[in-house]
Amino acid sequence: QVQLQESGPRLVKPSETLSLNCTVSGYSISSGYYWGWIRQPPGKGLEWIGNVYHSGNTYYSPSLKSRVTISVDTSKNQFSLKLTSATAADTAMYYCARDDGYYYDWGQGTLVTVSS
Amino acid sequence: EIVLTQSPGTLSLSPGERATLSCRASQSVRSNYLAWYQQKPGQTPRLLIYGASTRATGIPDRFSGSGSGTDFTLTISRLEPEDFAVYYCQQYGSPPWTFGQGTKVEIK
Repeated sequence: QVQLQESGPRLVKPSETLSLNCTVSGYSISSGYYWGWIRQPPGKGLEWIGNVYHSGNTYYSPSLKSRVTISVDTSKNQFSLKLTSATAADTAMYYCARDDGYYYDWGQGTLVTVSS
Repeated sequence: EIVLTQSPGTLSLSPGERATLSCRASQSVRSNYLAWYQQKPGQTPRLLIYGASTRATGIPDRFSGSGSGTDFTLTISRLEPEDFAVYYCQQYGSPPWTFGQGTKVEIK
């Protein structure tokens, strides 16, 4: 069974870069599938951020595209999210997940707060 | 970008009743690539349905999905106490993938 675990700073200052990693176990990223990031502001709905294929091909949400980079490190069996110029509006629970288009396997999520 | 609109925003029902949740897309969802999720407070979303009507592994058969094109429905035939939660639809037919805003099913 695929397991995913998010890691990274829980507190980010405004204007700085939000960076998260997702470590995958039970499956080799280089074998295939897209791998995605989804976020959920407190008390609000789910927002798709983007995804990455093991080859490095990516898709991003148009609303975040100018600030987002998702990349993959097959040697570490990890993929990562970088969101530049963070603001309070980026405060959210961030989930990583295996992307079959739909999401069956999710990480537990990590709450990132953007505040000075 | 396909916009998904879920209705109603909140559904107040009693255990044992039937729940019907709607998800309408701003344009046709390619190949009916539409998924439904359940989320309880403090928990990760749980996949219920994909491909508009295929139940995910381990999902009880009281959950069913239907629809095509722009109109999709999630039906819970008889609500169990553990079914009171927020439900989201998501399309993955055309990037970017998008989610609906959610329907809360609450105890009446």
